[in-house]
Amino acid sequence: DAGVIQSPRHEVTEMGQEVTLRCKPISGHNSLFWYRQTMMRGLELLIYFNNNVPIDDSGMPEDRFSAKMPNASFSTLKIQPSEPRDSAVYFCASSQGGGARGTGELFFGEGSRLTVL
Amino acid sequence: GENVEQHPSTLSVQEGDSAVIKCTYSDSASNYFPWYKQELGKGPQLIIDIRSNVGEKKDQRIAVTLNKTAKHFSLHITETQPEDSAVYFCAASFYFGSGTKLNVKP
Repeated sequence: DAGVIQSPRHEVTEMGQEVTLRCKPISGHNSLFWYRQTMMRGLELLIYFNNNVPIDDSGMPEDRFSAKMPNASFSTLKIQPSEPRDSAVYFCASSQGGGARGTGELFFGEGSRLTVL
Repeated sequence: GENVEQHPSTLSVQEGDSAVIKCTYSDSASNYFPWYKQELGKGPQLIIDIRSNVGEKKDQRIAVTLNKTAKHFSLHITETQPEDSAVYFCAASFYFGSGTKLNVKP
């Protein structure tokens, strides 16, 4: 199995630009998660989907962030406009068995390192 | 949502010693408690998990304990080796603690 695939692995952009991060979950997994990792705030859950439907987006920092999951094999996290404080590593993870009380192992991608200048 | 606290934030041990990491959670309805290991430049990877109907689970040098009444759980690594050096995260379901950087000195 290919695992969770994220792209791009690295992105350097200027403040104010739009950033789109992409994720392909493991086939057959019905839950997908977006996390942001920084030294200061650790691993923050931004949003998660179950069967392509957003269940909890309370972790999304502000309206500049949006996430979509148009089908079971693809999700995007968009930041528009980007700011230097958005610099972080963004992880996508997928799992079988979601819902309000996820009880399955999360499989993480290798992350997308975003730098906003 | 759930609030998971993890201690310590850094831990340095001598090779062969034991390491213990402790976590607490806030939501009494949580029933799945995984532990993840993150190596440099990679995503976290599950190393062991425990469900609420079990008080303890062991897998070779790694063990986890769960006290549902007190809402805390712990990771124990015995006979530590340099390759155990990494960041370890506890979680309640998919809500993560802040991580523990473990350094095992040869």
